[in-house]
Amino acid sequence: LAKTTQPISMDSYEGQEVNITCSHNNIATNDYITWYQQFPSQGPRFIIQGYKTKVTNEVASLFIPADRKSSTLSLPRVSLSDTAVYYCLVGPYNTDKLIFGTGTRLQVFP
Amino acid sequence: EPEVTQTPSHQVTQMGQEVILRCVPISNHLYFYWYRQILGQKVEFLVSFYNNEISEKSEIFDDQFSVERPDGSNFTLKIRSTKLEDSAMYFCASRIQGGAYEQYFGPGTRLTVT
Repeated sequence: LAKTTQPISMDSYEGQEVNITCSHNNIATNDYITWYQQFPSQGPRFIIQGYKTKVTNEVASLFIPADRKSSTLSLPRVSLSDTAVYYCLVGPYNTDKLIFGTGTRLQVFP
Repeated sequence: EPEVTQTPSHQVTQMGQEVILRCVPISNHLYFYWYRQILGQKVEFLVSFYNNEISEKSEIFDDQFSVERPDGSNFTLKIRSTKLEDSAMYFCASRIQGGAYEQYFGPGTRLTVT
């Protein structure tokens, strides 16, 4: 499974756009990029998944450059409730387990 | 929206005792998982379960651990003889056919071994 590197923490203010970048230099051809969110004392929650280019849903956007060696999770206009740990996961679509790293702790201030 | 539920929310047990953590996955899901998270550490995969058998397990999931789907709705994790280092948050997750990365997690059971 591809190793991922993300910033340990980020701070933002309400209403700002937050971009969290994940580096995965040894991503394999059949690997997908998935992001999860975890609030304190709760289970992780799936946010978004992509393979290449850009994916957008009601929660976030995921930007993947052509070489796929990195990806950026974009959260538009964050609120206090977006304070959480965000995990970037990379692996085959048909994998049967999720391998979480340490994630990025996002703190949103008023 | 359907949810994965887990009981109890908090379990305190003495070292050496057996515990059973219970989960009710989302009803049309076919794949089931247990993960754990020691306080302040990463979420760690324990075991995956499909078609009434274990499909994959981690090295953490030793002979002290077992899983079962005793009926059509429950999915349980048993720890036979708990150790202090088993203290952690245990999360159950489930998913539908396909889309392995989109797993739905429960709220967790906090296990405290004293």
